[in-house]
Amino acid sequence: DADVTQTPRNRITKTGKRIMLECSQTKGHDRMYWYRQDPGLGLRLIYYSFDVKDINKGEISDGYSVSRQAQAKFSLSLESAIPNQTALYFCATSDPTTTSYTFGSGTRLTVV
Amino acid sequence: AQSVTQLDSHVSVSEGTPVLLRCNYSSSYSPSLFWYVQHPNKGLQLLLKYTSAATLVKGINGFEAEFKKSETSFHLTKPSAHMSDAAEYFCVVSEVRGAQKLVFGQGTRLTINP
Repeated sequence: DADVTQTPRNRITKTGKRIMLECSQTKGHDRMYWYRQDPGLGLRLIYYSFDVKDINKGEISDGYSVSRQAQAKFSLSLESAIPNQTALYFCATSDPTTTSYTFGSGTRLTVV
Repeated sequence: AQSVTQLDSHVSVSEGTPVLLRCNYSSSYSPSLFWYVQHPNKGLQLLLKYTSAATLVKGINGFEAEFKKSETSFHLTKPSAHMSDAAEYFCVVSEVRGAQKLVFGQGTRLTINP
């Protein structure tokens, strides 16, 4: 099994729908992140969490919310999806003592 | 604040010739620096990372990068390109301490010509 698992892998949804992207990790790390990738822009940070009670906004949090259900689970929600949220979304976890990051395989989201 | 600038959005080289992908960074603190590669329709793979040890960092698949503090650069090189190197490459900066959020460059698409 992968260290960081994202579900679904691909999703097409309609404008205005609520959608949740899920992420789980088996690394045992406290820190988790959600990034969004757009062509020509690299990856940008949406939200990050240091533990279940510590959630922080990243540079592009508008239109998104997150939930840290447990140390291993960090979900990203789009309350009302819009077409410009079409992107590739990555979840990651990190070990601060070694500055090692582990990324999931990504979720490709299309909003039509 | 931290930032990364990848100086070329697209680099094209012939197979067997050297590869140079350029990256400049800005950081208020001692940075960690990374290069990631993303092959078409694939996830991110770590090529190498710098965390204040040796300034010349060797990575996987023959890649290496040199941290030059005076030039705030972290360029990625490979002596001889292979067709399998065709991919998108990201230079990334992070704080050594604190939140350790990754800040990505815009990416450089590497094309290898036969």
